[in-house]
Amino acid sequence: GENVEQHPSTLSVQEGDSAVIKCTYSDSASNYFPWYKQELGKRPQLIIDIRSNVGEKKDQRIAVTLNKTAKHFSLHITETQPEDSAVYFCAGQGSNTGKLIFGQGTTLQVKP
Amino acid sequence: DAGVTQSPTHLIKTRGQQVTLRCSPKSGHDTVSWYQQALGQGPQFIFQYYEEEERQRGNFPDRFSGHQFPNYSSELNVNALLLGDSALYLCASSLPGGGSYNEQFFGPGTRLTVL
Repeated sequence: GENVEQHPSTLSVQEGDSAVIKCTYSDSASNYFPWYKQELGKRPQLIIDIRSNVGEKKDQRIAVTLNKTAKHFSLHITETQPEDSAVYFCAGQGSNTGKLIFGQGTTLQVKP
Repeated sequence: DAGVTQSPTHLIKTRGQQVTLRCSPKSGHDTVSWYQQALGQGPQFIFQYYEEEERQRGNFPDRFSGHQFPNYSSELNVNALLLGDSALYLCASSLPGGGSYNEQFFGPGTRLTVL
């Protein structure tokens, strides 16, 4: 069935370092991959997304890469700041469906 | 422009009771999806409503039902509540059609506790 695996479950970095979160998906029909940031007690907020016809997308300190052949995608955060501390979720969405399949989440802690 | 809103914020029920959660989509959006987020887990898709019909459903029992109104707002109903139904229930709205490539905007959620 459809599944998205996310690693690591927790990640601790020093302020200014880079953070990388990786996800793999099982449904080869998936063609849209958003990343959400969820702060404690708040709603998930989209931080970046990528479509299957693109291999990489960057927005300031955040970038996402997609390898369709290997069915994995990654989130890269450079120059991390304490306010980047949150839970990050990757998700996959198949074509002609509004259903998002989420990974299990990564708790990122950025130490000042 | 108001984003996605949900009510109530918190709710406490006992086993066997029924609950109704409400969602108003972002202005201009006509598609509403519901997700269940257990503590420490990623959101799980319950179902999606478009044009007042359930268009797609996740692996949830029939105790979970919904409705969409002509103004695109939506309700999630859960019957015969179980302890395991305790979770944050998130509503997300998306652009017309709600198909792939459309960003889903999440509401603040309703925290349901079943005792």
